[in-house]
Amino acid sequence: DTGVSQDPRHKITKRGQNVTFRCDPISEHNRLYWYRQTLGQGPEFLTYFQNEAQLEKSRLLSDRFSAERPKGSFSTLEIQRTEQGDSAMYLCASSPSGRVEDTQYFGPGTRLTVL
Amino acid sequence: SQQGEEDPQALSIQEGENATMNCSYKTSINNLQWYRQNSGRGLVHLILIRSNEREKHSGRLRVTLDTSKKSSSLLITASRAADTASYFCATAVDSSNTGKLIFGQGTTLQVKP
Repeated sequence: DTGVSQDPRHKITKRGQNVTFRCDPISEHNRLYWYRQTLGQGPEFLTYFQNEAQLEKSRLLSDRFSAERPKGSFSTLEIQRTEQGDSAMYLCASSPSGRVEDTQYFGPGTRLTVL
Repeated sequence: SQQGEEDPQALSIQEGENATMNCSYKTSINNLQWYRQNSGRGLVHLILIRSNEREKHSGRLRVTLDTSKKSSSLLITASRAADTASYFCATAVDSSNTGKLIFGQGTTLQVKP
């Protein structure tokens, strides 16, 4: 399977704990995006990378959130000191070059539940 | 923040009928895209329409775009039970070179066999 993969698919954690999610984009895709989706809503943009450079972060991304793409391949999204409001589906997407008309290919998502 | 609204929020039809979903947005766009999401899963890209296009077809899908009204519609013809899913419109903002998408709230479609 050469699609976008995300790990883990589900994560249950207690409030205050740190969690880290991983996204493996489609090989050779330069652009990588993170979105967050809460129940009954559409995805909301969090941040994106062009190769290893993080170029934009949404205001939704508080100081507790950090994302990296160290070698321009896989990416991680870490949430520190989780809060119940962080419960959501975290979606990763990649696109070939970042042209505005490029199709974004989404992974299956990581569903986070904060107790 | 969400770009706009989708209408209706939920739609239930019989197999074989057509389904129409509408999307409104707020800002100037480069293109508008439609995605499908099956229950609890990732999104699948369906179709993209550029801001200088008015209509586009792909198989059983027909998309229209009216930039003067900042609205789009997605028509699924001869629906099948497998079309049951949530459908989202997403816009790529004209002034941005990020490629980031701004999604609507979605329409949940149920196709009854």
